[in-house]
Amino acid sequence: SAVISQKPSRDICQRGTSLTIQCQVDSQVTMMFWYRQQPGQSLTLIATANQGSEATYESGFVIDKFPISRPNLTFSTLTVSNMSPEDSSIYLCSVEGILGSQETQYFGPGTRLLVL
Amino acid sequence: AQSVTQLDSHVSVSEGTPVLLRCNYSSSYSPSLFWYVQHPNKGLQLLLKYTSAATLVKGINGFEAEFKKSETSFHLTKPSAHMSDAAEYFCVVSDSGYQKVTFGTGTKLQVIP
Repeated sequence: SAVISQKPSRDICQRGTSLTIQCQVDSQVTMMFWYRQQPGQSLTLIATANQGSEATYESGFVIDKFPISRPNLTFSTLTVSNMSPEDSSIYLCSVEGILGSQETQYFGPGTRLLVL
Repeated sequence: AQSVTQLDSHVSVSEGTPVLLRCNYSSSYSPSLFWYVQHPNKGLQLLLKYTSAATLVKGINGFEAEFKKSETSFHLTKPSAHMSDAAEYFCVVSDSGYQKVTFGTGTKLQVIP
């Protein structure tokens, strides 16, 4: 199994500032995903981050707003830039890993962000 | 505190037979409940969600789930499995607002031809 930690667990930020969320995995993984869940909404995939290549962003998300780093196989960061209240969400990272003999998905605990 | 339990880590059905993926939850607040599907090498896709409206929720690809408060369950069903349904399914509970979101451990669905 994979254990994922995220920092910070929560934060309250001012409009116009930026926040970098860290995701640490206890094993090496190829693919990492970043999601957000806005209040009352379902989970939305922001981007897929593979080590050694540019992150792949989903429709509606751009690198200037959500720059992602993936410096190695156990770590990634997501930055929420120039924040507005609409960015208030839970941000989650997830990875694919092996459970028994099968691939499965593991999720971090999430970062709860409130933008004032 | 909230939690979600997916009772089966692996379910195997024959093509054309019904699918039942079980999910039980606990929540201190009025919960929102979701089912997501993930196909290999893909991100999560929302199947359906319950947000205190109708207790029987219909989703995409013929899936539906029924919210049963008395049983604290939100089981996912489909009358007839298709090969393309083979994937991993996640039950998710979320507090009102965005206080916390908790994922189940996932159920891997295998569809046998």
